[in-house]
Amino acid sequence: EDKVVQSPLSLVVHEGDTVTLNCSYEVTNFRSLLWYKQEKKAPTFLFMLTSSGIEKKSGRLSSILDKKELFSILNITATQTGDSAIYLCAAAYSGAGSYQLTFGKGTKLSVIP
Amino acid sequence: NAGVTQTPKFQVLKTGQSMTLQCAQDMNHEYMSWYRQDPGMGLRLIHYSVGAGITDQGEVPNGYNVSRSTTEDFPLRLLSAAPSQTSVYFCASSWGQTYGYTFGSGTRLTVV
Repeated sequence: EDKVVQSPLSLVVHEGDTVTLNCSYEVTNFRSLLWYKQEKKAPTFLFMLTSSGIEKKSGRLSSILDKKELFSILNITATQTGDSAIYLCAAAYSGAGSYQLTFGKGTKLSVIP
Repeated sequence: NAGVTQTPKFQVLKTGQSMTLQCAQDMNHEYMSWYRQDPGMGLRLIHYSVGAGITDQGEVPNGYNVSRSTTEDFPLRLLSAAPSQTSVYFCASSWGQTYGYTFGSGTRLTVV
């Protein structure tokens, strides 16, 4: 059975802290690993990772994938209250022309002033 | 460019009623999916489509039907609503394997 496990499930930090969110996966026909940020409504796309060891960065956020150990991490440096959200990890898989995502349960990050 | 548009945003149904959640995208994406999101459960795939006229079941398809008559539209039908279908429903679309999925803003459905 395909599965994606995120840890921790929730996290409370102070502004300025650095956080690391974890995602492990076991997915048949794995294609890529995606990270989303969900505030009040729709998940918004952060990163897609397809190659091991290549870090992707966007401002204070960065992410890396290890395809041998089947995990990814999302780092947020110098956290701000606006980073408070649920961070979702999804493993993309394909087969018979399809392309779908299996999501983890998310990590709820709360950044307090 | 509207992206992925879902209607309605909120809906209350009585047990046994049927309804259709609408989803439309204007990005010419071939891949479209419906998810439900429940507390502590993450996003679970209900049905998906790889193009007009082609649909298939996801992880939790029971009680739902879909059709894809055009590239733009992918409606989700609840056949006979049950309280267990109380959830937030998201529609998403994508170009394909080298792209992420773009999500709509969701429909919050309550079945009483």
